[in-house]
Amino acid sequence: DAGVIQSPRHEVTEMGQEVTLRCKPISGHDYLFWYRQTMMRGLELLIYFNNNVPIDDSGMPEDRFSAKMPNASFSTLKIQPSEPRDSAVYFCASSLSMGGGKTQYFGPGTRLLVL
Amino acid sequence: AQSVTQLGSHVSVSEGALVLLRCNYSSSVPPYLFWYVQYPNQGLQLLLKYTTGATLVKGINGFEAEFKKSETSFHLTKPSAHMSDAAEYFCAVEGGGFQKLVFGTGTRLLVSP
Repeated sequence: DAGVIQSPRHEVTEMGQEVTLRCKPISGHDYLFWYRQTMMRGLELLIYFNNNVPIDDSGMPEDRFSAKMPNASFSTLKIQPSEPRDSAVYFCASSLSMGGGKTQYFGPGTRLLVL
Repeated sequence: AQSVTQLGSHVSVSEGALVLLRCNYSSSVPPYLFWYVQYPNQGLQLLLKYTTGATLVKGINGFEAEFKKSETSFHLTKPSAHMSDAAEYFCAVEGGGFQKLVFGTGTRLLVSP
């Protein structure tokens, strides 16, 4: 299996621009997670989906952030408008079920720099 | 609520020396515990996990960890460090049911020749 695929791997944009991050989970996995990693706050869970339905978005920092999962093989995380404090590495992960010690499989991440 | 404390943001060892990375957890229910490794510019990769059963868990690349309920610890060890072990290591706890993973702040392992 190809693993979790994320694109782009790097994104540099200017403040105020819209940014869209993409994720393709492992085939057959029914849970998808979006995380953000920064030096200050470490790894934070932003939102997760089960069978394409958002279950918990309590980690989404503010209304500028939105996430969708239109089908089982594709999800997007959008930031509009972007701000310099959004600079971070964004990871997508997927798992077969959740809880009970299930393993989450992480993608390589998207390194976002907002100037 | 679950939480994880990783003692030491950086640990330095010489090649061939013992690796010990510390993790203490807090959980109101029997926990599931994980160690993930992150190599530079890569995503997180599972090293090992404890769910139930044997408290000494063996993982990939010669790492192992022991679940000690009385000490609320899940320290990661490797008898002999290799240069390729240089990476950041994250301990994580899940509280069971449909609980989210809670990650520690990470420990960067530096291995010198």
